Amino acid sequence: QVPLQESGPGLVKPSQTLSLTCTVSGPSISRGDYYWSWIRQPPGKGLEWIGYIDHSGGTYSNPSLKSRVTISLDTPKNQFSLKLNSVTAADTAVYYCARNNAFFGEGFDYWGQGTLVTVSS
Amino acid sequence: EIVLTQSPGTLSLSPGERATLSCRASQSVSSTYLAWYQQQPGQAPRLLIYGTSSRATGIPDRFSGSGSGTDFTLTISRLEPEDFAVYYCQQYGSSPLFTFGPGTKVDIK
Repeated sequence: QVPLQESGPGLVKPSQTLSLTCTVSGPSISRGDYYWSWIRQPPGKGLEWIGYIDHSGGTYSNPSLKSRVTISLDTPKNQFSLKLNSVTAADTAVYYCARNNAFFGEGFDYWGQGTLVTVSS
Repeated sequence: EIVLTQSPGTLSLSPGERATLSCRASQSVSSTYLAWYQQQPGQAPRLLIYGTSSRATGIPDRFSGSGSGTDFTLTISRLEPEDFAVYYCQQYGSSPLFTFGPGTKVDIK
């Protein structure tokens, strides 16, 4: 098992920065086998991939969000984090962290339970 | 930018019936990088199928995937009560690197 757990504020004001952390229990995230992704789901809607970070800290983000997204790695704590700046109500969503596994064609084989972030004043 | 379209939007079936879900891509997708997920209400998605047709760990054999190029299918041979959920297809490789379809809801008729 590779439990993932998101944490962070559930309420963020418009124009501020959304910050979330994903804590990974189990294999070290510094192993080279996986990507570590953030995905979000607005209430009642579908899934949108935000971006990933690899074991060495390399990142790749969805071009639609790229200018606002920062993903970072904290290897000693086995965590990775998401920062999304200049948020608006459209960023209200359940945010998931997930693992990409090359064995499964880069499919997302483990997910956190998700955390709802609401953008509101 | 690649777009995945899923049909139908909602599929109303009875337990024991066969479900056929479609995923169509706006451009060709490598069969290695086409996956399907199941999402129950209030839960995270679960990986069902990867590489178009391979079942993920612990997935029952009533779930099967097929297809190539731009047309892919998820089939549930006989619906069990726990299979009523939303299903998403997902591709990897074309911008924006990872893309999900809008989902098909399988509900009880």
